Amino acid sequence: ILNVEQSPQSLHVQEGDSTNFTCSFPSSNFYALHWYRWETAKSPEALFVMTLNGDEKKKGRISATLNTKEGYSYLYIKGSQPEDSATYLCAFSQGAQKLVFGQGTRLTINP
Amino acid sequence: DAEITQSPRHKITETGRQVTLACHQTWNHNNMFWYRQDLGHGLRLIHYSYGVQDTNKGEVSDGYSVSRSNTEDLPLTLESAASSQTSVYFCASSTGLAQRGDTQYFGPGTRLTVL
Repeated sequence: ILNVEQSPQSLHVQEGDSTNFTCSFPSSNFYALHWYRWETAKSPEALFVMTLNGDEKKKGRISATLNTKEGYSYLYIKGSQPEDSATYLCAFSQGAQKLVFGQGTRLTINP
Repeated sequence: DAEITQSPRHKITETGRQVTLACHQTWNHNNMFWYRQDLGHGLRLIHYSYGVQDTNKGEVSDGYSVSRSNTEDLPLTLESAASSQTSVYFCASSTGLAQRGDTQYFGPGTRLTVL
């Protein structure tokens, strides 16, 4: 069973501050790394999918980087807002279009 | 608009009963997946399908079965419900066309309680 680790498990950030968290995954047989945003009582929504070493993706104040050689991805949020409060999931694929999810980082933005 | 729906949204059942959770997508996606979400475990894959008549076991498939008779539906059946199967169940679908990085789209979830 593949191991996808996310850290930290939870994070409290003051509104306006920037933050980042990590997803670690196996560095062999890499196909893709996905980031999802999951708000309470809703379903996970796709943020980014990254397939190449060195990929950087950006959507508004949220960005992500990928290092497939060492097996990690960072998600960055610049100028956190209360609406950024959610659990952020990463998911790793070694092919066959299946995903293995990490446990998530629960982010809380304090006003 | 195309969408993915799950029913029921909430279900309470008794140990030993057979339960079927429905998943229906209107995107015409080839791939469909069932996950369960438990505290401390994140999303774990139960079963998945890459097309009509195709089904495969995931990480936690014991006690569950699926069938894919058409593109739109992948019902999940708990043959004899157990308390350990109390969980939130999510269905997801993807096109199945991407060579790498096929995004999965999730349904709203079904909260199942087994008493």
